[in-house]
Amino acid sequence: DARVTQTPRHKVTEMGQEVTMRCQPILGHNTVFWYRQTMMQGLELLAYFRNRAPLDDSGMPKDRFSAEMPDATLATLKIQPSEPRDSAVYFCASLFAGEDVLTFGAGSRLTVL
Amino acid sequence: DAKTTQPPSMDCAEGRAANLPCNHSTISGNEYVYWYRQIHSQGPQYIIHGLKNNETNEMASLIITEDRKSSTLILPHATLRDTAVYYCIVFNRDDKIIFGKGTRLHILP
Repeated sequence: DARVTQTPRHKVTEMGQEVTMRCQPILGHNTVFWYRQTMMQGLELLAYFRNRAPLDDSGMPKDRFSAEMPDATLATLKIQPSEPRDSAVYFCASLFAGEDVLTFGAGSRLTVL
Repeated sequence: DAKTTQPPSMDCAEGRAANLPCNHSTISGNEYVYWYRQIHSQGPQYIIHGLKNNETNEMASLIITEDRKSSTLILPHATLRDTAVYYCIVFNRDDKIIFGKGTRLHILP
């Protein structure tokens, strides 16, 4: 089965530390989404890319979050400096624009102490 | 903002059909209706999608009203493993994809 791979699956860090989450989209998929999920807010769209170009990052706190796609097989989400309110599960998802199914990774659970 | 409205929770007896409603009154002509579900903290999983016609697959059936302003996901014989949060979303396949709060479905033994 083709799948979206996210690392790390779990991360515990202290406030002020840099956190980088990585996502390997399904081979051939050209659109990548980053979501954040908390109990209070549900699934929030942070940013998305098509053909490695950012299309919308309006959901992302600009001062501390950054998202990039260094190449077609890797998307990264970085938080610097991290804060306790960033504790959440971060999901990456990918699809090929115009085709059927958005496929999610297993998520990266971040805890900031 | 999400373009769909769903009840926050529903109960269904095990073995019965679960019918989950979704309102999407502002849907555009080129927007599809998709259903996903999320079990515990796993990533959401695709269930089914449609544009105008009713659809059926091995997991579920999707009934879309003629005016496309609402739809119903049907799980024909619910089991305990169908306990999850079910998301109805509408989007143009070239646009960003926004999820609402979904419906938390409880299957009762």
